[in-house]
Amino acid sequence: QQQVKQSPQSLIVQKGGISIINCAYENTAFDYFPWYQQFPGKGPALLIAIRPDVSEKKEGRFTISFNKSAKQFSLHIMDSQPGDSATYFCAWSGGSNYKLTFGKGTLLTVNP
Amino acid sequence: ETGVTQTPRHLVMGMTNKKSLKCEQHLGHNAMYWYKQSAKKPLELMFVYNFKEQTENNSVPSRFSPECPNSSHLFLHLHTLQPEDSALYLCASSQVLLTGSENGYTFGSGTRLTVV
Repeated sequence: QQQVKQSPQSLIVQKGGISIINCAYENTAFDYFPWYQQFPGKGPALLIAIRPDVSEKKEGRFTISFNKSAKQFSLHIMDSQPGDSATYFCAWSGGSNYKLTFGKGTLLTVNP
Repeated sequence: ETGVTQTPRHLVMGMTNKKSLKCEQHLGHNAMYWYKQSAKKPLELMFVYNFKEQTENNSVPSRFSPECPNSSHLFLHLHTLQPEDSALYLCASSQVLLTGSENGYTFGSGTRLTVV
């Protein structure tokens, strides 16, 4: 069964710092790599996504970096804010045209 | 609201009760999913429906019974649950693409289920 390995499991960052979350996928199929953000009591919401034809995508303070040779993709949150405190999930389409495989999540805490 | 509505938001049920969770989407999506999210655990895929047909059942106990009458509605029927079934149950929808796979899920806010 396809998997996405996400690390770290939890992360504590000071306000203004950089938060980095990494994910690794398993096989050679690469399609679509979205990241989801989940606040307590809410469902996950799409944050940012990347296709493998680009190595980086930036939206505001959020950047996805994609390393095809290493089969890894990362989420960088610049100038982290307490409001960014949430659980972040990476996901991978893995060749499916409708289903996503999710990582286990990273609990980010940004201290003021 | 995200476009995926789940009801009820909270549910407390006894182990002998029968209840149903409802999910409705008005996004024109044709794939729908049930996920279980327990405290401090990852998202667990339960069921997948693609054009109203169940395409995946991830070894879910028979006390959970899904129903998808059309592409906009998804139910999860619950009976004789156990306390360990207490969790946040999330519904999601997505578009099945003919080519490529740039496909974001839209999640509902979930139903917080407590089994007593």
